[in-house]
Amino acid sequence: QLQLQESGPGLVKPSETLSLTCTVSGGSISHNDYYWGWIRQAPGKGLEWIGTIYYNGDTNYNPSLKSRVTISVDTSKNQFSLKLSSVTAADTAVYYCGRIVIGDSYCVDVWGQGTTITVSS
Amino acid sequence: DIQMTQSPSSLSASVGDRVTISCRASQTMSSYLNWYQQKPGKAPKLLIHGASSLQSGVPSRFIGSGFGKDFTLTISSLQPEDFAIYYCQQTYSTPRTFGHGTKVEI
Repeated sequence: QLQLQESGPGLVKPSETLSLTCTVSGGSISHNDYYWGWIRQAPGKGLEWIGTIYYNGDTNYNPSLKSRVTISVDTSKNQFSLKLSSVTAADTAVYYCGRIVIGDSYCVDVWGQGTTITVSS
Repeated sequence: DIQMTQSPSSLSASVGDRVTISCRASQTMSSYLNWYQQKPGKAPKLLIHGASSLQSGVPSRFIGSGFGKDFTLTISSLQPEDFAIYYCQQTYSTPRTFGHGTKVEI
């Protein structure tokens, strides 16, 4: 059974770079049929799409975050990562990683449990 | 970006009720519409993909319909475990935007 697990620092200072890793277990990240992505949810708010990556490194970012976001993949470790630079309090959120099915729906069919990131000095 | 408008933002219902949640897109998008359920402190869970396809393991009381700009999620007989927030998501174009959610309360 495929599982995704986010890991990260929990607390990040304003203006610094947030770094998160998603570890995929129970299946290979190098699969033709899936993208891998990041979604976040600010406290009490809805879901925001951050971006996706394919195992070959192709990425797609939300234009609203594109200037600050980098998503990368490490197939040897079965992991993908998120870097968000110049963070502010507005980046405080639960960050989820997910598997996206390529095809007729591009749905997120498997989600990590989420990791809470607080931006504060 | 495609804007997704969900209605209502919240509703109150009883066990056994039929519940309908609407999602309207700012532009036509075929059937690239997914529905998720989220319970407090948990990750969202996929219910419906491609507007009407039931995700494996999801009870058949969850029914998705619609095409183009207007979509609906129906819960045919509300169960106690269905009290949650429901989100629609368009995947017709990037960024893959979500609706603001509909909270289903007792």
